[in-house]
Amino acid sequence: GQNIDQPTEMTATEGAIVQINCTYQTSGFNGLFWYQQHAGEAPTFLSYNVLDGLEEKGRFSSFLSRSKGYSYLLLKELQMKDSASYLCAVRDSNYQLIWGAGTKLIIKP
Amino acid sequence: ETGVTQTPRHLVMGMTNKKSLKCEQHLGHNAMYWYKQSAKKPLELMFVYSLEERVENNSVPSRFSPECPNSSHLFLHLHTLQPEDSALYLCASSQVVVAADPTGELFFGEGSRLTVL
Repeated sequence: GQNIDQPTEMTATEGAIVQINCTYQTSGFNGLFWYQQHAGEAPTFLSYNVLDGLEEKGRFSSFLSRSKGYSYLLLKELQMKDSASYLCAVRDSNYQLIWGAGTKLIIKP
Repeated sequence: ETGVTQTPRHLVMGMTNKKSLKCEQHLGHNAMYWYKQSAKKPLELMFVYSLEERVENNSVPSRFSPECPNSSHLFLHLHTLQPEDSALYLCASSQVVVAADPTGELFFGEGSRLTVL
């Protein structure tokens, strides 16, 4: 079967750095997505990786290793507004999105 | 504001009621989706419409009935639901993935929180 694994919950301190990991086993690979979802709000697109390596976008970076079936989302200079759930999703060979259950990130002052 | 609007935001219904969820997108996208989101579970794809044709129905019970009258509007008709259908129902839109635009990220609405009594 296909599945995406990511930690259920993480806690970090304001101003620090946190890395949220995502491992996947899917039938084929056509890109990996990270979405952010604040409580009671819509998920919003953060990043897309299809080639190995690091994609940087401001305070957020996303890394992909296709050979290891592994990605991480790196958040720097954490702010209280970064408290949210972070969803990892992989597009398989049929262009279907396979979703992880999400990682709830709690930021403490 | 994501460009995808869902109504109602909250809905409470009995198991014998009939109700509908509505979704409208203002992004000019050509694909629309219904997802079910339950606590601590991955998003479950329910229906996909591409160019107004339904292309995916992931074995969803017939008590859920989608309708896509045009590329901007999507409905989910609900009847004789069960308490386990209580969840957040998310609508999303995207451009169909093509070689020239392979990203095809989803734009989500804020969801309709459904409670079935």
